[in-house]
Amino acid sequence: NAGVTQTPKFRILKIGQSMTLQCTQDMNHNYMYWYRQDPGMGLKLIYYSVGAGITDKGEVPNGYNVSRSTTEDFPLRLELAAPSQTSVYFCASNQGRGDLGETQYFGPGTRLLVL
Amino acid sequence: TQLLEQSPQFLSIQEGENLTVYCNSSSVFSSLQWYRQEPGEGPVLLVTVVTGGEVKKLKRLTFQFGDARKDSSLHITAAQPGDTGLYLCASEPLYGQNFVFGPGTRLSVLP
Repeated sequence: NAGVTQTPKFRILKIGQSMTLQCTQDMNHNYMYWYRQDPGMGLKLIYYSVGAGITDKGEVPNGYNVSRSTTEDFPLRLELAAPSQTSVYFCASNQGRGDLGETQYFGPGTRLLVL
Repeated sequence: TQLLEQSPQFLSIQEGENLTVYCNSSSVFSSLQWYRQEPGEGPVLLVTVVTGGEVKKLKRLTFQFGDARKDSSLHITAAQPGDTGLYLCASEPLYGQNFVFGPGTRLSVLP
């Protein structure tokens, strides 16, 4: 299993441009998440999904959109990039069995720079 | 939203030294996880603690969950350069669906 994969690894955007960050997992997990990690800060939840066709906002959803048409894929869309969206973005997944402390599996991250 | 605090924020030590890092909250956790993140990588789960007072050991790492389930510590014995990384704690709130992450402790172990 490849686990959670993310593309691209690094991207530079100009203000106002748009892009989609891709995330794919091959573990048949129900739950998927998008986090951003700013320097010196913990991970902040942007959006999450509990299954195909179901998404919900996390702590910092403004400026982002998501979709979940399949179990495997959970793309994150930035419509009008702003310098405040410069960050490292992580996708994660877990089975969603409802057990306490279920392991989240993280992708390697996408580093985004908005100039 | 439950907030997690971690201390210290940075720690630089020599190989062979012992260290302890802490994770605290004003709210009770239903479970708490410790992750290690290396540069350019995503976080990787080290341990999950669920029961108040629980102690878990993973080789040279000892994890403790406070009796009141509001705090946790990670102790590393005889640190090695391979222990270098960002240590994150994440809590699963009693009510709510999603994990909350602390800001992390950045550890550097010098040879």
